[in-house]
Amino acid sequence: AQSVAQPEDQVNVAEGNPLTVKCTYSVSGNPYLFWYVQYPNRGLQFLLKYITGDNLVKGSYGFEAEFNKSQTSFHLKKPSALVSDSALYFCAVRDRSGGSYIPTFGRGTSLIVHP
Amino acid sequence: EADIYQTPRYLVIGTGKKITLECSQTMGHDKMYWYQQDPGMELHLIHYSYGVNSTEKGDLSSESTVSRIRTEHFPLTLESARPSHTSQYLCASSGPSGSGEQFFGPGTRLTVL
Repeated sequence: AQSVAQPEDQVNVAEGNPLTVKCTYSVSGNPYLFWYVQYPNRGLQFLLKYITGDNLVKGSYGFEAEFNKSQTSFHLKKPSALVSDSALYFCAVRDRSGGSYIPTFGRGTSLIVHP
Repeated sequence: EADIYQTPRYLVIGTGKKITLECSQTMGHDKMYWYQQDPGMELHLIHYSYGVNSTEKGDLSSESTVSRIRTEHFPLTLESARPSHTSQYLCASSGPSGSGEQFFGPGTRLTVL
């Protein structure tokens, strides 16, 4: 079984400040982990993924995510937020050991960056 | 932007109509998916396909059907639309990468009156 939790419905941050969007997961085996971003009236856009190796993953638009196996977390981060980063962010997990290619998505976190 | 297309982008129809939402991808991906998403809410998997002539139902009970006759094409059909079908429908595909990250189309916003 696989599941993912995004504990915050909304995150507010001032432009120029660092941002963190939280994600925790549960899988039977080892995970593939993903972050996607959704702008209004658009589909989801792939940001980054964790497969193996370095726990800090770098992705598009200056975003990065830190994999923490002991805490089963995969938080999304950016050192300096932009107003244009305001969007809906989804974390997703897929268990490597299963035969399914179907990921489980979190409920999404709305990021609002204030000027 | 990934090369995955959905038409129409917006559709307003009356109850009882039959509709087909189109989804095509030019990446040669073998796996394709349909999700239903109310605005700003979580995604619900309604159908998926691992290749030509392969279709499966997802977690969300749906009155829709899909077909996969060609690799690049994965249309979704509602035989008789109802107001409860009002939602956004997202099509996605994933390729041979072992991790299986998905690439999404822009979505179809359906309103059934």
